[in-house]
Amino acid sequence: GENVEQHPSTLSVQEGDSAVIKCTYSDSASNYFPWYKQELGKRPQLIIDIRSNVGEKKDQRIAVTLNKTAKHFSLHITETQPEDSAVYFCAARIFSGNTGKLIFGQGTTLQVKP
Amino acid sequence: DGGITQSPKYLFRKEGQNVTLSCEQNLNHDAMYWYRQDPGQGLRLIYYSQIVNDFQKGDIAEGYSVSREKKESFPLTVTSAQKNPTAFYLCASSIGSQTFNEKLFFGSGTQLSVL
Repeated sequence: GENVEQHPSTLSVQEGDSAVIKCTYSDSASNYFPWYKQELGKRPQLIIDIRSNVGEKKDQRIAVTLNKTAKHFSLHITETQPEDSAVYFCAARIFSGNTGKLIFGQGTTLQVKP
Repeated sequence: DGGITQSPKYLFRKEGQNVTLSCEQNLNHDAMYWYRQDPGQGLRLIYYSQIVNDFQKGDIAEGYSVSREKKESFPLTVTSAQKNPTAFYLCASSIGSQTFNEKLFFGSGTQLSVL
């Protein structure tokens, strides 16, 4: 069925190190892949997104890469800081009939140790 | 911190009771969504609405109902038929139309618990 798998479920890194979160999707027709960050007790917020016609996108310390052939995409955070600690969700827009449906991964809890 | 407002922040439901969660947005967005968040399961879509007076079931619509009588408002009713309602409920909106399901703006959520 339609699904998005996200790994790892928890990730702990030292401040200044890099963090990588990976997601795979099932529908090869998916064309939009956002990443949301949810800090403790707060609402999810979009941090970066990528479309299927692009292989990589960067925004300061965060980047997303997309491999359409393998049907996976990854979030890369460089020079991590304590304020990067949060739950990160990936998602893929999967088509059902004539409507695109956003399917979320299970989430990754990132802890950045000072 | 404005744009999309959910209330109440905490809600308790007694067995057999229906409860309604409020969601209001002033972003002039056409599309609105309700998600349920359970630990370790990500966000699951309950209902969505692409335009006023129209809404569609998501993946887990059983035991829930919605209405979209105004562009700004998309209330969710958790009925007594929903046997496991304890969860964190998130409302979201997006511009809609060609960008349906893109750049979702989320509310701050409602934690529903069963007494």
